[in-house]
Amino acid sequence: DTGVSQNPRHKITKRGQNVTFRCDPISEHNRLYWYRQTLGQGPEFLTYFQNEAQLEKSRLLSDRFSAERPKGSFSTLEIQRTEQGDSAMYLCASSLHANTGELFFGEGSRLTVL
Amino acid sequence: GQNIDQPTEMTATEGAIVQINCTYQTSGFNGLFWYQQHAGEAPTFLSYNVLDGLEEKGRFSSFLSRSKGYSYLLLKELQMKDSASYLCAVPQSGGSYIPTFGRGTSLIVHP
Repeated sequence: DTGVSQNPRHKITKRGQNVTFRCDPISEHNRLYWYRQTLGQGPEFLTYFQNEAQLEKSRLLSDRFSAERPKGSFSTLEIQRTEQGDSAMYLCASSLHANTGELFFGEGSRLTVL
Repeated sequence: GQNIDQPTEMTATEGAIVQINCTYQTSGFNGLFWYQQHAGEAPTFLSYNVLDGLEEKGRFSSFLSRSKGYSYLLLKELQMKDSASYLCAVPQSGGSYIPTFGRGTSLIVHP
């Protein structure tokens, strides 16, 4: 098992463009999370899946953001009409257990919006 | 919701001991995590405490006091490679257990 995989690792885009990030979690993990992290801050929760069901979304997540996990395996996070404030590291994590389960993070996808 | 507070930055000398504190407020306690994050890398799990007391794991130990809403991470025999951000995280109550992270403490270890 190679761990949680994310791509692309880096994305530079112009304001107003759409971007999509992909996350492949550890295969037996049914819980998948998306976080956003900016410099000097901790990861900020965006959304969470259990299998293919999106069970929770942060109130901070605008309607420009959408996430899917169609077959309960990989997930995509799409940002439409990107803004400069969307520039951040987007981290994906997966876990096996609920309350006691440690998160296994991917290396992240760094987005720069010009 | 959760409120997590930790110092922004700490410095320490190689070979020394450092204690990184974390205070939290939560409506329902479901344990507390510590993660380490080197610059430009993903966070990695260090410890999980759900009961009061100290848990030791090699050079790293983590302490929890549920009544005080307080935890600390203790790093002994500091090495240069311990320079990193240390993140305190508390799972949300209400059944989702989604970890909420503090802003992290940036630890700088100097010779």
